[in-house]
Amino acid sequence: EADIYQTPRYLVIGTGKKITLECSQTMGHDKMYWYQQDPGMELHLIHYSYGVNSTEKGDLSSESTVSRIRTEHFPLTLESARPSHTSQYLCASSESRGVTYEQYFGPGTRLTVT
Amino acid sequence: DQQVKQNSPSLSVQEGRISILNCDYTNSMFDYFLWYKKYPAEGPTFLISISSIKDKNEDGRFTVFLNKSAKHLSLHIVPSQPGDSAVYFCAATPGSNYQLIWGAGTKLIIKP
Repeated sequence: EADIYQTPRYLVIGTGKKITLECSQTMGHDKMYWYQQDPGMELHLIHYSYGVNSTEKGDLSSESTVSRIRTEHFPLTLESARPSHTSQYLCASSESRGVTYEQYFGPGTRLTVT
Repeated sequence: DQQVKQNSPSLSVQEGRISILNCDYTNSMFDYFLWYKKYPAEGPTFLISISSIKDKNEDGRFTVFLNKSAKHLSLHIVPSQPGDSAVYFCAATPGSNYQLIWGAGTKLIIKP
């Protein structure tokens, strides 16, 4: 059973506020990912990490930043929220062993910026 | 340019019948394909996958077929059940970087 957690589940916040979306996994996976997804659209990779102190930007340009100080923790921060940041944010993790590319997802954070 | 395409935004199927969800891809470097299921306000959950060295993989009610020459894969659900109502995403990877490229999803509605 995959164990990956995201908090908060829902967040409504005003423009200009700083926010941090939390993501933690207990599986010891080396790889972690942040996706942004809107209804009827594909998942877009915004950040990924292949291990501690390793972070990269994904294909979708994002004004957010991430950190990976511990294997299990991969928080995403928005310094100044804007209405265009309104979306669902999904965190996922995977391992490098074997030939499976399956990613395990958390429940997501639904962010609304007013 | 979308590399993974799910051309049907929605599909309605009678309970007990077969559901067939389709996915096309353009990148010939993709060598592993996955299907995920997503309920509203939840994260996607893995259903079934297939490697490019196979043309079929089966797991219970779910079967995935891969046609490499046509760059097409399909997910068959037999028999369809009310709990199968969800959005289904197709994803693909070249394998080298562990990143998944996603389709836009197909919303499956199972009618009682």
